[in-house]
Amino acid sequence: EPEVTQTPSHQVTQMGQEVILRCVPISNHLYFYWYRQILGQKVEFLVSFYNNEISEKSEIFDDQFSVERPDGSNFTLKIRSTKLEDSAMYFCASSPGTSVRNEQFFGPGTRLTVL
Amino acid sequence: QKEVEQNSGPLSVPEGAIASLNCTYSDRVSQSFFWYRQYSGKSPELIMSIYSNGDKEDGRFTAQLNKASQYVSLLIRDSQPSDSATYLCAPYRETGFQKLVFGTGTRLLVSP
Repeated sequence: EPEVTQTPSHQVTQMGQEVILRCVPISNHLYFYWYRQILGQKVEFLVSFYNNEISEKSEIFDDQFSVERPDGSNFTLKIRSTKLEDSAMYFCASSPGTSVRNEQFFGPGTRLTVL
Repeated sequence: QKEVEQNSGPLSVPEGAIASLNCTYSDRVSQSFFWYRQYSGKSPELIMSIYSNGDKEDGRFTAQLNKASQYVSLLIRDSQPSDSATYLCAPYRETGFQKLVFGTGTRLLVSP
């Protein structure tokens, strides 16, 4: 069964450093998403991406964040200058389209630790 | 008013019992409703989707939707210890937004 994959599973970085989190969505899906979950808190939407552009973003997704689909398979989230409060699990998700049955499937996540 | 409200629990049930998980939502335009299961330290896993008022059954799971009351529930029959997890409700509307808005989830504990 096709699944969303993410790398790395755990990333440790120093405050102020740039990180890139990588995702390979399910191959025939059209929409891609990033969510994050701070330890003990709820899953929060960051951004959705369709047709090579951002379709929606949350207040969390400020100028420090960017997303890119550099080729036909990868989808990346970049954090330019990490802060301590960026420490969280980051989940990539993908979905087939915008119909009512737009089920989103999540990858296993990347645990980001900012020191 | 919170967009999605769930009792955080924990909801404790003995093995073999029925677990009933409830969710209310504020967005009247929501058309689809998803139930995700999340084990500690893992990602959300989609277990049920429901789009129409009424019941939808899939194995031991039954989702119930009442759009007029803005209420959706998940019943787990013959609960197993492996069902112990946090269950997240997520309403979705097709037009305008694609994001899922999650509640805090309900933590279910099934004791042997």
